[in-house]
Amino acid sequence: GAVVSQHPSWVICKSGTSVKIECRSLDFQATTMFWYRQFPKQSLMLMATSNEGSKATYEQGVEKDKFLINHASLTLSTLTVTSAHPEDSSFYICSAMGHLQETQYFGPGTRLLVL
Amino acid sequence: QQQVKQSPQSLIVQKGGISIINCAYENTAFDYFPWYQQFPGKGPALLIAIRPDVSEKKEGRFTISFNKSAKQFSLHIMDSQPGDSATYFCAAATTGTASKLTFGTGTRLQVTL
Repeated sequence: GAVVSQHPSWVICKSGTSVKIECRSLDFQATTMFWYRQFPKQSLMLMATSNEGSKATYEQGVEKDKFLINHASLTLSTLTVTSAHPEDSSFYICSAMGHLQETQYFGPGTRLLVL
Repeated sequence: QQQVKQSPQSLIVQKGGISIINCAYENTAFDYFPWYQQFPGKGPALLIAIRPDVSEKKEGRFTISFNKSAKQFSLHIMDSQPGDSATYFCAAATTGTASKLTFGTGTRLQVTL
């Protein structure tokens, strides 16, 4: 149980384009989903928290207009990187939490490379 | 006060040995302490977690020791295997609504033959 998927697993795009990453909880309802960014050999950096049907809460320093998050259902959240630039290249990981609000289960991550 | 300090940064252990990773926290409101294992290019996977009402929790070769008064907790990997070579993150959270995880900086474990 508690499986979280992400799609795509990796994406290469040109500078200036937008990229959408999907995060799905496959076998449970995720009342809360989180989006993280991870640089090589570093810890996870929380970008935003989203609850189903409401606006995401962004961490300080994260541009909400650049990283659009939609939590449309209890099993799906999307992160759209708008007008991507090379500095947005990173490993993006989502996690999902069920109604008990305790354990976060992580997706496999999405590697984004912006050329 | 939100930090979780993790040590060591890297660790090399021989196969069959015990790997020990330590974490310390300041925020006494934390009431949930998970450990995650991450392989290169993959997302973190929950390994084991503990709440402060117990001092130790064991699952297979993995044990968490928790010292509430010292605000420290540690992960012990018994009979370490090459397949355990990964990065390990401790974390802490205050459970409830929007319970964000505060992660440690990670420990890169290498288990040699």
